[in-house]
Amino acid sequence: GDSVTQMEGPVTLSEEAFLTINCTYTATGYPSLFWYVQYPGEGLQLLLKATKADDKGSNKGFEATYRKETTSFHLEKGSVQVSDSAVYFCAPYSGGYQKVTFGTGTKLQVIP
Amino acid sequence: EPEVTQTPSHQVTQMGQEVILRCVPISNHLYFYWYRQILGQKVEFLVSFYNNEISEKSEIFDDQFSVERPDGSNFTLKIRSTKLEDSAMYFCASRPGDEKLFFGSGTQLSVL
Repeated sequence: GDSVTQMEGPVTLSEEAFLTINCTYTATGYPSLFWYVQYPGEGLQLLLKATKADDKGSNKGFEATYRKETTSFHLEKGSVQVSDSAVYFCAPYSGGYQKVTFGTGTKLQVIP
Repeated sequence: EPEVTQTPSHQVTQMGQEVILRCVPISNHLYFYWYRQILGQKVEFLVSFYNNEISEKSEIFDDQFSVERPDGSNFTLKIRSTKLEDSAMYFCASRPGDEKLFFGSGTQLSVL
């Protein structure tokens, strides 16, 4: 089955700093790749996705590029805000009725 | 945007009691899921449901767990005899034929 490895958290950054959260995956075939975000006290929300190699997903200033050669889907943002404080989950999905597999999540704390 | 609705938001029960967690998926969705998240830990897949039957289940989803879609709108998770280690946040999710998962805001289950 699919699996994913995310960098350990928590990640603590000052406002306007550059963010990278690493994610690598293993999957059969060529999965779609997702980043989900979980704000405090809430469920998971889709942040962005990419469905094929070299695709770049983007949303709310966050970006991630599907790198087939390195099986990676690192999340980046050029200038984080306090409101970005949340837990971020990388997730590959191989299609059909298969489950979406989540990583352990990386907690981001942005301080003013 | 349509939402997945979960009730109750908090459930406290005594060890050994039965609990039913309720979910109303988005109406035109075809695939339904239960995940759980123990405090501070990864989001774990429990079960997926399609075409009125279980399509996949994890090792966590043992004989104490069951799911139903009794009336075409609700999707329930039953735990027959709760254990302390069942304490977690339980998330329901659904999706249409494409890949995006929509999550509910979760039910926090506390087993005393």
